[in-house]
Amino acid sequence: NAGVTQTPKFQVLKTGQSMTLQCAQDMNHNSMYWYRQDPGMGLRLIYYSASEGTTDKGEVPNGYNVSRLNKREFSLRLESAAPSQTSVYFCASSKTGADTEAFFGQGTRLTVV
Amino acid sequence: GQSLEQPSEVTAVEGAIVQINCTYQTSGFYGLSWYQQHDGGAPTFLSYNALDGLEETGRFSSFLSRSDSYGYLLLQELQMKDSASYFCAVRGNQAGTALIFGKGTTLSVSS
Repeated sequence: NAGVTQTPKFQVLKTGQSMTLQCAQDMNHNSMYWYRQDPGMGLRLIYYSASEGTTDKGEVPNGYNVSRLNKREFSLRLESAAPSQTSVYFCASSKTGADTEAFFGQGTRLTVV
Repeated sequence: GQSLEQPSEVTAVEGAIVQINCTYQTSGFYGLSWYQQHDGGAPTFLSYNALDGLEETGRFSSFLSRSDSYGYLLLQELQMKDSASYFCAVRGNQAGTALIFGKGTTLSVSS
């Protein structure tokens, strides 16, 4: 049982480049989330999708877009990467938006130079 | 919006008991969760309190006081493997929205 799978695990981008972080879950969960984690800042919510077909902004959405491709997949896109977007990105899912337990992927370590 | 406050660091020795506090502000409350994250790893769920009182899961317990907007995670019989970051989290101000996390408490357990 894979759980939540993120790709890639590591990425280095140049300022201004674009890229898409992929996330897929095999637990038939309805809700999916993207967080970023920076030292001393905890996990900050970027975007979330309470159910297939819906997406909403979180605490720090600027510079990002998301797509809920289907029930399994939720991607995060950086259109024009900036050094401030250097971070560890985590995708997570839960059975429903009201569910108490979220399951996290292993993270994508992104460096923008 | 929501905000959570927790200490940034806690140190303890093996076998000891440590308490990690969390105070929160949220316009609607749907429970307080706790997550553990080892260095370089992903956060994993530890416990959840929707009602006042103590929830016990093995060596870990979590407490909630809704009237005080306060909770804590209690770790007993500390082991070296408990060295990790611990996050409290609340759900957004509407049912069905995502978890909002505190900045985390780094626990260092020494021998």
